[in-house]
Amino acid sequence: GEDVEQSLFLSVREGDSSVINCTYTDSSSTYLYWYKQEPGAGLQLLTYIFSNMDMKQDQRLTVLLNKKDKHLSLRIADTQTGDSAIYFCAEDGQRNKLIFGAGTRLAVHP
Amino acid sequence: ETGVTQTPRHLVMGMTNKKSLKCEQHLGHNAMYWYKQSAKKPLELMFVYSLEERVENNSVPSRFSPECPNSSHLFLHLHTLQPEDSALYLCASSQGDGGPSPLHFGNGTRLTVT
Repeated sequence: GEDVEQSLFLSVREGDSSVINCTYTDSSSTYLYWYKQEPGAGLQLLTYIFSNMDMKQDQRLTVLLNKKDKHLSLRIADTQTGDSAIYFCAEDGQRNKLIFGAGTRLAVHP
Repeated sequence: ETGVTQTPRHLVMGMTNKKSLKCEQHLGHNAMYWYKQSAKKPLELMFVYSLEERVENNSVPSRFSPECPNSSHLFLHLHTLQPEDSALYLCASSQGDGGPSPLHFGNGTRLTVT
């Protein structure tokens, strides 16, 4: 079946890099996504990667994809307090629907 | 005008009430979704509409009734809910044209059933 797993919590110091990891099961996924959810808000699309790529960089964000191990990671460079949020990994499953992980809560402390 | 707008932002209702959640998207997308987000649980997909036709109904209880009158509007009609239905209800839309179809979410309606 389709399943996406993430660790639940990550705590980092302001200015350090954060790495959020995700594993998925559907090897036929074409795109993989990262979303951010701040308190009281919906999910905001951060970035996505096509499955035939192994890296994508977008300003402070770097996405790494290891398709063999079905492992996806999101690296946030120079993490700021405004990056504190819940980060969701998602893969595109069957019939036009995304499969989400449970989310990783990132806490940034001074 | 944001891409996906949900109203109301907050709703408190008793178990015998009838209410409706509204979602409107201004992105020209052709698919719309309802998700339920409860504390400590993954996002649960409830309904999917593609070109105004319901294509997914994930075993949702009949006390939740969706309506999609056109490609820009989506409703979720609620009646005789239970306290465990208290959650954040998120609407989303996507293009669904074969390329990347990221979902664009609204800010949700926080529902409390008393």
